[in-house]
Amino acid sequence: KAGVTQTPRYLIKTRGQQVTLSCSPISGHRSVSWYQQTPGQGLQFLFEYFSETQRNKGNFPGRFSGRQFSNSRSEMNVSTLELGDSALYLCASSQNRNYYTFGSGTRLTVV
Amino acid sequence: GESVGLHLPTLSVQEGDNSIINCAYSNSASDYFIWYKQESGKGPQFIIDIRSNMDKRQGQRVTVLLNKTVKHLSLQIAATQPGDSAVYFCAENEGNQAGTALIFGKGTTLSVSS
Repeated sequence: KAGVTQTPRYLIKTRGQQVTLSCSPISGHRSVSWYQQTPGQGLQFLFEYFSETQRNKGNFPGRFSGRQFSNSRSEMNVSTLELGDSALYLCASSQNRNYYTFGSGTRLTVV
Repeated sequence: GESVGLHLPTLSVQEGDNSIINCAYSNSASDYFIWYKQESGKGPQFIIDIRSNMDKRQGQRVTVLLNKTVKHLSLQIAATQPGDSAVYFCAENEGNQAGTALIFGKGTTLSVSS
C-alpha cells in the first residue's frame, strides 16, 4: 500500500512569489491535513480537508490556502512568500480522524 | 493557546538501556494522545497512542503512560537500539465536531550510542 506522497521534495522560491505543494493521500483516506515544521515553532497545524471541504484551520495568515479534489488529493498554496515561510511542509492523511500517516514533506526555501 | 510540551530537548542513552521521554500537556479536555518518531529527512511516524480513559498502553518495546491528575504523558522505550535515535513528539488531537488538528510538543531528540 503506497504511503502519503508529497511533491516536490525540495523547492526554492524568491520572496514575493507564490508556491503550490501537492499531496496524494493513502488510497481510501478522505482526510488530509497540512502542517508546517520549523526549528523555532516546531510542528504547527495549517488546515484539514475532508471530502473537498476545509474542516478545520490553524492560526496562519490568509496567504496560506489549500484545497482538496474529488480523488482526495490535496494542494496547498502560499502566496506572496516571505523568508519566514521557509519550512518543511508536511501532509498527513487519515481514514478515521485519529491515526494520521505523514508524508516525507516538501522542503521550501524562500530566498 | 493551550499546547503540548516536552520536558527535555535532548536525551542520550546507551544501547540496551531503557529510555523515558516525558511530555506535559495543558488542555485537560484532551482525550487522545499520540507519540510520533521523526527521523532525519522523514515525516513523523506513529508509534503509539492512548485515550484519556486509559492509564497505560503497551506496544512492541514501547509503553505510554498517562497521568491525568498532573497532565503528564510519557513514552518508555525498552532495550533502546541505535535505530531508535530520532526526534520524538507527543501530540494531542484537538478533535471537535468541525474537524481535527494535532497539536504537537516541541520534541525530544533521543541519541543512542552503542
